[in-house]
Amino acid sequence: SQQGEEDPQALSIQEGENATMNCSYKTSINNLQWYRQNSGRGLVHLILIRSNEREKHSGRLRVTLDTSKKSSSLLITASRAADTASYFCATDARAAGNKLTFGGGTRVLVKP
Amino acid sequence: GAVVSQHPSWVICKSGTSVKIECRSLDFQATTMFWYRQFPKQSLMLMATSNEGSKATYEQGVEKDKFLINHASLTLSTLTVTSAHPEDSSFYICSVPSLPGELFFGEGSRLTVL
Repeated sequence: SQQGEEDPQALSIQEGENATMNCSYKTSINNLQWYRQNSGRGLVHLILIRSNEREKHSGRLRVTLDTSKKSSSLLITASRAADTASYFCATDARAAGNKLTFGGGTRVLVKP
Repeated sequence: GAVVSQHPSWVICKSGTSVKIECRSLDFQATTMFWYRQFPKQSLMLMATSNEGSKATYEQGVEKDKFLINHASLTLSTLTVTSAHPEDSSFYICSVPSLPGELFFGEGSRLTVL
């Protein structure tokens, strides 16, 4: 079963708007990662946030982590059409043998 | 440039045939590689962990004899789908772990079994 559940499953926004997606998980984690997947392609690592971190930035990306609520959010600011993709959270948890477990993903469509 | 190379990117085969997919780590040696399967509009499901020089570790519910994994060198792992059937049609993706814990993914291989 999947460790992470993502919300929303799909998101459609206009270019320039911000996109926010959330990830909830069930067990304690070592870190949480976000990946991006263009249609029919492999995944690309975006950002990793450790369990003792609360917020992290990378360019137009902002990730938060709330371990008390077992949730994380990914914010893409000033979105561009090229940001259209599926975004997955993945958790690295000792209970899973330190293997990454992926959430269901959020499909983001940025309309020009 | 690409860190992980996966080949072929797509393959169509007849039911009953076997298909081999290669995953190469280009930039560094990989004692471990991961194989995932992804159905349309769904998440990645870990199939197995490929271990260089030893047997692969399969996830629960994954048939070892159906999905043969060989990791003969530190840069190459192969996944062979044996006696493929239409239900094996899927997107197969390999990944290589790096420090500090993130994964580099191949571009995936789309298998269509007729």
